[in-house]
Amino acid sequence: DVKVTQSSRYLVKRTGEKVFLECVQDMDHENMFWYRQDPGLGLRLIYFSYDVKMKEKGDIPEGYSVSREKKERFSLILESASTNQTSMYLCASSQPPRGPSPLHFGNGTRLTVT
Amino acid sequence: RKEVEQDPGPFNVPEGATVAFNCTYSNSASQSFFWYRQDCRKEPKLLMSVYSSGNEDGRFTAQLNRASQYISLLIRDSKLSDSATYLCVTPSGGSYIPTFGRGTSLIVHP
Repeated sequence: DVKVTQSSRYLVKRTGEKVFLECVQDMDHENMFWYRQDPGLGLRLIYFSYDVKMKEKGDIPEGYSVSREKKERFSLILESASTNQTSMYLCASSQPPRGPSPLHFGNGTRLTVT
Repeated sequence: RKEVEQDPGPFNVPEGATVAFNCTYSNSASQSFFWYRQDCRKEPKLLMSVYSSGNEDGRFTAQLNRASQYISLLIRDSKLSDSATYLCVTPSGGSYIPTFGRGTSLIVHP
């Protein structure tokens, strides 16, 4: 079974802080994704990566950056957290590269920015 | 127009009922479709893939209608435990990037 692990289940940060959300998958998947989910808006793609050191912007990349130094790890960075980044963040992975296939999700990080 | 659209519901049905949801998509070139289930405050989990010929898994049946560009999910003999949000997913535009609908909420009551 694919396991996608997000480092924190709940996180509370202050406005202006730099925030790191970590995601690790254990199935050697090529593709990794970061989504945020807000009531009424559904899942929106922030960034994705289809290979180590590769990254591409999703629909809402503003205020975020990502890092993929190793295949199994995909980090989401909030350079200067703001209250409108309070949300549920979901990491996912899939295989094969650049091909449609089911996503496997981590159990999410609920981030509150005060 | 959003690329993947779903009726948010909620669909409120009694136990034992049959309920169906549709999901319309705008990318006529889409080749892959999935239904996910998401419980409150949990992550989405794959429910089933949707094949061109349709597919069935127990009480769940998924169908694809390419001509009208929608997929459907039929749940027979609804259980209380089926209460959840159901999300459809398909690649957007000309890419393989998964795009989610906003989900349809199902509430099964006794």
